[in-house]
Amino acid sequence: GNSVTQMEGPVTLSEEAFLTINCTYTATGYPSLFWYVQYPGEGLQLLLKATKADDKGSNKGFEATYRKETTSFHLEKGSVQVSDSAVYFCALFSGGYNKLIFGAGTRLAVHP
Amino acid sequence: NAGVTQTPKFQVLKTGQSMTLQCAQDMNHNSMYWYRQDPGMGLRLIYYSASEGTTDKGEVPNGYNVSRLNKREFSLRLESAAPSQTSVYFCASSVGQGNTEAFFGQGTRLTVV
Repeated sequence: GNSVTQMEGPVTLSEEAFLTINCTYTATGYPSLFWYVQYPGEGLQLLLKATKADDKGSNKGFEATYRKETTSFHLEKGSVQVSDSAVYFCALFSGGYNKLIFGAGTRLAVHP
Repeated sequence: NAGVTQTPKFQVLKTGQSMTLQCAQDMNHNSMYWYRQDPGMGLRLIYYSASEGTTDKGEVPNGYNVSRLNKREFSLRLESAAPSQTSVYFCASSVGQGNTEAFFGQGTRLTVV
Protein backbone atom coordinates (compact mmCIF):
# COMPACT_ATOMS: atom_id res chain seq x y z
CA GLY A 1 0.00 0.00 0.00
CA ASN A 2 0.93 3.66 -0.06
CA SER A 3 3.11 4.95 2.75
CA VAL A 4 5.40 7.77 3.83
CA THR A 5 8.61 7.38 5.85
CA GLN A 6 10.27 10.31 7.59
CA MET A 7 13.51 10.57 9.47
CA GLU A 8 13.06 10.22 13.19
CA GLY A 9 13.43 13.21 15.42
CA PRO A 10 13.82 15.21 17.34
CA VAL A 11 16.15 17.35 15.29
CA THR A 12 17.92 19.99 17.35
CA LEU A 13 19.73 22.84 15.61
CA SER A 14 21.23 26.20 16.41
CA GLU A 15 19.77 29.28 14.82
CA GLU A 16 21.03 29.87 11.24
CA ALA A 17 22.00 26.21 10.76
CA PHE A 18 21.08 24.25 7.63
CA LEU A 19 18.08 21.95 7.89
CA THR A 20 17.32 18.71 6.07
CA ILE A 21 14.42 16.44 6.99
CA ASN A 22 14.31 13.29 4.89
CA CYS A 23 11.10 11.89 3.45
CA THR A 24 10.63 8.89 1.18
CA TYR A 25 7.42 7.42 -0.10
CA THR A 26 5.89 4.30 -1.55
CA ALA A 27 3.01 4.76 -3.93
CA THR A 28 1.52 3.53 -7.14
CA GLY A 29 1.12 6.03 -9.92
CA TYR A 30 2.05 9.66 -9.50
CA PRO A 31 0.98 11.00 -6.11
CA SER A 32 1.04 14.65 -5.10
CA LEU A 33 3.48 15.35 -2.26
CA PHE A 34 3.17 17.78 0.64
CA TRP A 35 4.93 19.13 3.68
CA TYR A 36 2.74 20.25 6.56
CA VAL A 37 3.84 22.05 9.72
CA GLN A 38 2.27 21.91 13.18
CA TYR A 39 3.12 24.63 15.67
CA PRO A 40 2.55 23.90 19.37
CA GLY A 41 -1.11 23.61 20.28
CA GLU A 42 -2.32 24.09 16.72
CA GLY A 43 -3.62 22.06 13.82
CA LEU A 44 -1.57 21.30 10.73
CA GLN A 45 -1.07 23.84 7.99
CA LEU A 46 0.32 23.38 4.51
CA LEU A 47 3.94 24.45 4.11
CA LEU A 48 4.59 23.49 0.47
CA LYS A 49 3.59 21.00 -2.19
CA ALA A 50 4.67 19.44 -5.49
CA THR A 51 2.39 17.68 -7.91
CA LYS A 52 4.73 16.05 -10.44
CA ALA A 53 8.25 14.75 -10.83
CA ASP A 54 11.04 17.37 -10.63
CA ASP A 55 8.65 20.01 -9.29
CA LYS A 56 10.12 22.12 -6.50
CA GLY A 57 7.79 23.42 -3.81
CA SER A 58 8.91 26.40 -1.75
CA ASN A 59 7.55 28.65 0.98
CA LYS A 60 9.00 30.72 3.85
CA GLY A 61 12.55 29.72 2.87
CA PHE A 62 11.75 26.01 2.89
CA GLU A 63 12.16 23.93 -0.27
CA ALA A 64 11.52 20.35 -1.36
CA THR A 65 11.97 18.68 -4.76
CA TYR A 66 9.82 15.78 -5.99
CA ARG A 67 12.33 13.08 -6.96
CA LYS A 68 10.58 10.17 -8.60
CA GLU A 69 13.77 8.21 -9.29
CA THR A 70 14.55 8.07 -5.56
CA THR A 71 10.90 8.35 -4.38
CA SER A 72 11.94 11.20 -2.10
CA PHE A 73 10.72 14.65 -1.09
CA HIS A 74 13.30 15.97 1.38
CA LEU A 75 12.63 19.27 3.16
CA GLU A 76 15.47 21.82 3.31
CA LYS A 77 16.05 25.29 4.66
CA GLY A 78 19.29 27.18 4.44
CA SER A 79 19.09 29.08 7.72
CA VAL A 80 16.60 28.10 10.41
CA GLN A 81 15.12 30.44 12.99
CA VAL A 82 13.81 29.82 16.49
CA SER A 83 10.31 30.43 15.11
CA ASP A 84 10.70 27.35 12.85
CA SER A 85 10.50 25.09 15.89
CA ALA A 86 7.55 22.81 15.16
CA VAL A 87 6.62 19.32 14.00
CA TYR A 88 6.94 18.74 10.25
CA PHE A 89 4.89 16.12 8.40
CA CYS A 90 5.50 14.73 4.96
CA ALA A 91 2.35 13.54 3.18
CA LEU A 92 1.13 12.17 -0.11
CA PHE A 93 -2.25 12.20 -1.78
CA SER A 94 -3.16 8.93 -3.34
CA GLY A 95 -5.57 9.65 -6.15
CA GLY A 96 -6.45 6.01 -6.56
CA TYR A 97 -7.50 5.79 -2.93
CA ASN A 98 -8.61 9.42 -2.69
CA LYS A 99 -6.98 10.06 0.66
CA LEU A 100 -4.10 11.94 2.26
CA ILE A 101 -1.45 9.80 3.97
CA PHE A 102 1.00 11.22 6.51
CA GLY A 103 4.41 10.27 7.80
CA ALA A 104 5.09 10.02 11.52
CA GLY A 105 6.30 13.62 11.80
CA THR A 106 9.69 15.09 12.74
CA ARG A 107 10.02 17.47 15.65
CA LEU A 108 12.42 20.36 15.06
CA ALA A 109 13.81 22.41 17.93
CA VAL A 110 15.90 25.49 17.08
CA HIS A 111 17.92 27.14 19.83
CA PRO A 112 19.29 30.71 19.83
CA ASN B 1 -13.42 33.16 7.96
CA ALA B 2 -13.84 30.12 10.21
CA GLY B 3 -12.38 27.36 7.98
CA VAL B 4 -12.68 24.04 9.81
CA THR B 5 -14.31 24.13 13.23
CA GLN B 6 -14.14 21.23 15.67
CA THR B 7 -16.00 20.83 18.93
CA PRO B 8 -15.27 20.21 21.72
CA LYS B 9 -11.62 21.21 22.19
CA PHE B 10 -11.15 19.03 25.27
CA GLN B 11 -13.08 16.06 26.64
CA VAL B 12 -12.63 13.52 29.39
CA LEU B 13 -14.68 10.33 29.16
CA LYS B 14 -15.02 7.29 31.35
CA THR B 15 -14.47 3.89 29.79
CA GLY B 16 -17.66 2.74 28.11
CA GLN B 17 -19.17 6.18 27.63
CA SER B 18 -20.10 7.42 24.19
CA MET B 19 -19.62 10.77 22.53
CA THR B 20 -19.66 12.50 19.16
CA LEU B 21 -16.98 14.84 17.88
CA GLN B 22 -18.37 17.49 15.59
CA CYS B 23 -16.67 19.03 12.56
CA ALA B 24 -17.92 21.67 10.18
CA GLN B 25 -16.26 23.47 7.26
CA ASP B 26 -17.41 26.58 5.47
CA MET B 27 -15.22 26.32 2.36
CA ASN B 28 -17.61 24.25 0.24
CA HIS B 29 -15.10 21.40 0.20
CA ASN B 30 -16.07 17.99 -1.10
CA SER B 31 -13.73 15.81 0.96
CA MET B 32 -13.49 15.55 4.73
CA TYR B 33 -11.27 13.48 6.99
CA TRP B 34 -10.86 12.37 10.59
CA TYR B 35 -7.36 11.66 11.91
CA ARG B 36 -5.95 10.75 15.27
CA GLN B 37 -2.53 11.88 16.40
CA ASP B 38 -0.51 9.86 18.88
CA PRO B 39 3.09 10.41 20.01
CA GLY B 40 5.52 8.78 17.59
CA MET B 41 2.70 7.63 15.29
CA GLY B 42 2.04 10.75 13.28
CA LEU B 43 -1.46 11.18 11.94
CA ARG B 44 -3.47 8.08 11.21
CA LEU B 45 -6.60 8.22 9.12
CA ILE B 46 -9.71 6.95 10.86
CA TYR B 47 -12.41 7.60 8.26
CA TYR B 48 -12.83 9.87 5.30
CA SER B 49 -15.60 11.10 3.07
CA ALA B 50 -14.61 11.80 -0.51
CA SER B 51 -17.90 13.51 -1.22
CA GLU B 52 -21.27 14.14 0.36
CA GLY B 53 -23.08 10.86 0.86
CA THR B 54 -19.99 8.64 0.91
CA THR B 55 -17.73 7.46 3.72
CA ASP B 56 -14.81 5.02 3.74
CA LYS B 57 -12.60 3.42 6.33
CA GLY B 58 -9.05 4.59 6.83
CA GLU B 59 -6.19 2.86 8.63
CA VAL B 60 -7.70 2.66 12.13
CA PRO B 61 -11.53 2.60 11.93
CA ASN B 62 -12.26 0.09 14.70
CA GLY B 63 -14.27 1.57 17.55
CA TYR B 64 -15.47 4.56 15.53
CA ASN B 65 -18.37 5.48 13.31
CA VAL B 66 -18.87 8.55 11.13
CA SER B 67 -21.70 10.47 9.56
CA ARG B 68 -21.45 12.90 6.66
CA LEU B 69 -24.53 14.82 7.62
CA ASN B 70 -24.34 17.20 4.67
CA LYS B 71 -21.58 18.83 2.65
CA ARG B 72 -20.49 20.99 5.62
CA GLU B 73 -20.52 18.52 8.50
CA PHE B 74 -18.69 15.29 9.26
CA SER B 75 -19.05 13.81 12.73
CA LEU B 76 -17.07 11.08 14.48
CA ARG B 77 -18.73 8.89 17.09
CA LEU B 78 -17.18 6.74 19.77
CA GLU B 79 -19.86 4.26 20.83
CA SER B 80 -18.03 2.78 23.83
CA ALA B 81 -14.85 4.67 24.64
CA ALA B 82 -11.70 2.77 25.60
CA PRO B 83 -8.41 4.07 27.08
CA SER B 84 -6.70 3.20 23.77
CA GLN B 85 -8.78 5.95 22.16
CA THR B 86 -7.06 8.61 24.24
CA SER B 87 -5.60 10.84 21.55
CA VAL B 88 -5.79 14.16 19.77
CA TYR B 89 -8.36 14.08 16.98
CA PHE B 90 -8.17 16.30 13.91
CA CYS B 91 -10.77 16.95 11.30
CA ALA B 92 -9.67 18.17 7.87
CA SER B 93 -11.25 19.10 4.56
CA SER B 94 -10.11 19.59 1.00
CA VAL B 95 -11.58 20.43 -2.37
CA GLY B 96 -11.09 16.80 -3.29
CA GLN B 97 -8.54 16.75 -6.04
CA GLY B 98 -5.10 15.39 -5.27
CA ASN B 99 -3.02 18.51 -5.60
CA THR B 100 -5.08 20.76 -3.38
CA GLU B 101 -4.47 21.77 0.18
CA ALA B 102 -6.11 20.11 3.16
CA PHE B 103 -7.28 22.47 5.90
CA PHE B 104 -7.24 21.29 9.49
CA GLY B 105 -9.24 22.11 12.57
CA GLN B 106 -7.61 22.96 15.89
CA GLY B 107 -8.04 19.46 17.25
CA THR B 108 -9.91 17.75 20.09
CA ARG B 109 -7.88 16.39 22.97
CA LEU B 110 -9.73 13.33 24.27
CA THR B 111 -8.81 11.44 27.42
CA VAL B 112 -10.52 8.17 28.31
CA VAL B 113 -10.06 7.09 31.92
